[in-house]
Formats: sequence, C-alpha cells, structure tokens
Amino acid sequence: LAKTTQPISMDSYEGQEVNITCSHNNIATNDYITWYQQFPSQGPRFIIQGYKTKVTNEVASLFIPADRKSSTLSLPRVSLSDTAVYYCLVSGAGSYQLTFGKGTKLSVIP
Amino acid sequence: KAGVTQTPRYLIKTRGQQVTLSCSPISGHRSVSWYQQTPGQGLQFLFEYFSETQRNKGNFPGRFSGRQFSNSRSEMNVSTLELGDSALYLCASSLGTSGSRETQYFGPGTRLLVL
Repeated sequence: LAKTTQPISMDSYEGQEVNITCSHNNIATNDYITWYQQFPSQGPRFIIQGYKTKVTNEVASLFIPADRKSSTLSLPRVSLSDTAVYYCLVSGAGSYQLTFGKGTKLSVIP
Repeated sequence: KAGVTQTPRYLIKTRGQQVTLSCSPISGHRSVSWYQQTPGQGLQFLFEYFSETQRNKGNFPGRFSGRQFSNSRSEMNVSTLELGDSALYLCASSLGTSGSRETQYFGPGTRLLVL
C-alpha cells in the first residue's frame, strides 16, 4: 500500500477555505485517494474519494493532479465544527484493510 | 438506515482478564473490520471478516481474535489483557465487494481501560 504524508496540524480562522495536501508518491494505477474525518472519541467518517482530476460533494472538494502523486482536500468556509483530524488514505481493490497515517489535526479558530 | 453499533461503549478491566466486544454492522453489509486506536500508535487494523471468514489480518498478537456470525454481527475478543491494550476499539462495516476503496462506516467505538 502506498504511504501517505500530510501535515501534522493546521490552524484556520472561521469562514476561510482550508486546503490540506497529501503526498502519495508510490500510488498504484488502481488505487483511489480517500479522505476520512475523525472527531475526538468517535469513529472516522468518510468525506470524499477520487481517482483523478477533481471531485466535489456537499462537504468538500478533492483535487488530484495528472501524476496522482499528491492530492488536496479543500474545505470551503470552515466553521468551528470542522475542527477534527483529517486522514488521507490510498485505497485499492485488493485489500479491505485501511491504512491510516497520523492525519492532519485541523483547528478552526473563532 | 441504522448505523454501526458497538457494545459496550465503555469497559474497565484488570490485567490478565479477557474481554469481548460486539459490533452490529449496517444492514446489508457483509464485511466487518476492527481497528485499535491509541494516542501513540494511531489507528491500526486488527482484522476483517466477510461471510463468517477472516479475510484480512493485521499485525497483532494471537491474544486478539474475532469472529463473525451468519447475520454479519461480529465480536472481537482480547485474552490476557495487558495495560497496553487500553484503547478505543472501532468497528467498521462495508458491503465487502470492492476492496478498501469501498466506503467504510465506523461505529462509535468501545473505550477499553485496563488497570
């Protein structure tokens, strides 16, 4: 499984757009990039998944360049409730094991 | 649709005891995975069951075991508890047909404290 690297922590003010970048240099052709969000003492929650270019849903956008060696999770106009840990994962079809890294702890400041 | 449920939510045990945790997946989901989360090691995969068979296993000692029933409900057991087993144990369910890129739905977890 490809290893992912993302910043340990980020701070942002309420109302700003937040971009969290993840590096996955060894991503395989059939792998997808998936982001999960976790609040303290809760299980992770799926946010978004993509394979290439751009994916958008009601919560976030995911930008993936052509070489797919990195990806950027974009959270528009964050609020205090977006304070959480965000995990970037590389997911394939051959395994049912999710490999979580350290994640990025996002703190939203009022 | 009801989400993934885990029981109990909190548990206190002493060293040497054993513990059984339960997980009920989302209706229709046949894959159940278990994870351990600690401040030091983060989220680590324990094992995954599909149709009552263990299909994937993480790097944990044999004290950690699990099983899945015909209704897809799953239990995990930890024997001879150690202080280091104190953790949040998370269960996740998915359809089980498209690998790890399937969305996995996590339960609220069971917080285990070993004294």
